[in-house]
Amino acid sequence: SQKIEQNSEALNIQEGKTATLTCNYTNYSPAYLQWYRQDPGRGPVFLLLIRENEKEKRKERLKVTFDTTLKQSLFHITASQPADSATYLCALGFRSGGYQKVTFGTGTKLQVIP
Amino acid sequence: EADIYQTPRYLVIGTGKKITLECSQTMGHDKMYWYQQDPGMELHLIHYSYGVNSTEKGDLSSESTVSRIRTEHFPLTLESARPSHTSQYLCASSELAVTEKLFFGSGTQLSVL
Repeated sequence: SQKIEQNSEALNIQEGKTATLTCNYTNYSPAYLQWYRQDPGRGPVFLLLIRENEKEKRKERLKVTFDTTLKQSLFHITASQPADSATYLCALGFRSGGYQKVTFGTGTKLQVIP
Repeated sequence: EADIYQTPRYLVIGTGKKITLECSQTMGHDKMYWYQQDPGMELHLIHYSYGVNSTEKGDLSSESTVSRIRTEHFPLTLESARPSHTSQYLCASSELAVTEKLFFGSGTQLSVL
């Protein structure tokens, strides 16, 4: 069966450290992968997109890697701040019949401790 | 900041009532979606639309219906609400492009008593 797995347990890290979140998938062949941030009671906000032919993408303190052989993406936040505390969602993107489809993981809750 | 709006933010109603959740976007996006999300769970796609007069069912079966009469407006209707419909409903939009970057509204938290 198809699955997208993210750490179900919350990740607690000290302010200033690098947070690393994992997204693993099985039985999918995504064309691209996205990361979103979701705060409690709010809709997700798009952060980064990485395509199947890209290994790494950066945006300010954020870095995403994509390994289609391992079927894994890693999401890094460097110099983490308490304001980075949120749930981070991984989403796989597919092209089907000329259209796009996006499937979400359950997300990992990140808590940055001052 | 995404220009996609959902109303109401919170709705508490009794079983059997008819409800409509509103969603509007001012970005001119062709594609719009409704997702359902329970606490700690993934987003499940329940409806989507490629444009005016286009509606499709998503991956998760839902008793709700949608309509797309105008590009900017994509309301979701439940004819007879039940406690099992209690959930957060998120509306999103995107451009018809190579990759789908989704813009989400703030959601409607629905509680059916």
